[in-house]
Formats: sequence, structure tokens, C-alpha cells
Amino acid sequence: GAVVSQHPSRVICKSGTSVKIECRSLDFQATTMFWYRQFPKKSLMLMATSNEGSKATYEQGVEKDKFLINHASLTLSTLTVTSAHPEDSSFYICSARGGGSNQPQHFGDGTRLSIL
Amino acid sequence: DAKTTQPPSMDCAEGRAANLPCNHSTISGNEYVYWYRQIHSQGPQYIIHGLKNNETNEMASLIITEDRKSSTLILPHATLRDTAVYYCIVRVLNYGGATNKLIFGTGTLLAVQP
Repeated sequence: GAVVSQHPSRVICKSGTSVKIECRSLDFQATTMFWYRQFPKKSLMLMATSNEGSKATYEQGVEKDKFLINHASLTLSTLTVTSAHPEDSSFYICSARGGGSNQPQHFGDGTRLSIL
Repeated sequence: DAKTTQPPSMDCAEGRAANLPCNHSTISGNEYVYWYRQIHSQGPQYIIHGLKNNETNEMASLIITEDRKSSTLILPHATLRDTAVYYCIVRVLNYGGATNKLIFGTGTLLAVQP
């Protein structure tokens, strides 16, 4: 089946640091990628949608200057959490979908971000 | 996207069939029903999707009622590794655009008991 790889799987860093998370589609071209965050015992919350080569579309309430998304190729999208603070600690999950109209989204295994 | 309603939790005995219901009474004619599951501390895993016909794959079967207002995901022989949160999501299937995103509800926590 389709594979989406997310890296790193876990990050612990100091407050004020910027953190970059990579999401790669390994065996298909991802025309659209999605970024979610998930707090403990809660459901996934969509943060933004990005199409290759264009600016990401952010969900209401998500700061685009805080969460920078780049989708420069059909196999790679990155999420950068800028000047991270403890309240940004969360489980970040990416998802990718190919170009076919009947293609489901496939998810990475997530990145657990802990800001001290 | 149409809203879905699922029971918050269910138990199932190992080896028995697990039947997970989902209510989507406001579903539109061009909205598909998708099922995903999330095992603790992992990303969601795609299971199956359908429009109006019943679907079956190596993981599960999806039964959609004739009026499409509800569906049931069936795991024919549940194992301990099937313990997870199961999400039922309805989504318009277009060639891109804002309506193509998956919006997750709270799902059903299925606990398979030995």
C-alpha cells in the first residue's frame, strides 16, 4: 500500500527554537498534502492543506506565520513550527493523497513535539 | 462535509466479528463514506471507503444502507491488534479543492478483549 514517511518521529527542544518536520510520499506522487495536530485523548485537527507548487490553505484559527508549510515537490512537504513554545507541544501528523479522484489519503506515523 | 455520529466506545471478543456503526443522516449524493483507524501513538490507517454499494477488502467490509444515512464497518475476526479508535468520515470526492479534506470526528474506541 501507499507509504507516507514522516521525520523526525520525536523532537524535544527548548522554547524559542524553530522545528522542521518532513513528510514524504515514498511510492506515489502527492499532489495534495495535509497537516494535522492532535492533543492527548483528542481527535485529529486539520491545520492546513497544501498543493504542490502553491501556497498552503490554513484552517481558521491556525497562524500561518507560526506554522510555515512548504510543498515544493510532489513527494515532499515540510512544516516548520517557528519560535516554538510549550503550548505548541503536540502530535503532528501529515497526510498525502495522489492525483486520482478515487485515491484515499494516507498518513505518516506522526511527530511528537515537546517544547521545554 | 456531512457530520457523522459514532458510539464513543465498544467492546468485542477476540475472534468474533466487530460491527462498528456510523450515522450520517445528512450525507449528500456525492459524498463518500471513509473509514480510518488510529492505533495508539500512530498515524491513522486507511481501511475502506464506499459510495452506495457494499465494499469488501482484505481488512474489512463496509455495509451502507440503501438510503445511505448510516453504515457499518465489519471486522470479520477481530484480534487484539485491532484495538484502536475507528473514524467514520464522509467526504466529497472532487478533483482537488477545499472540499477534499478529511475532517475527523471523535470516533469509536474499539477494545478487543482476549
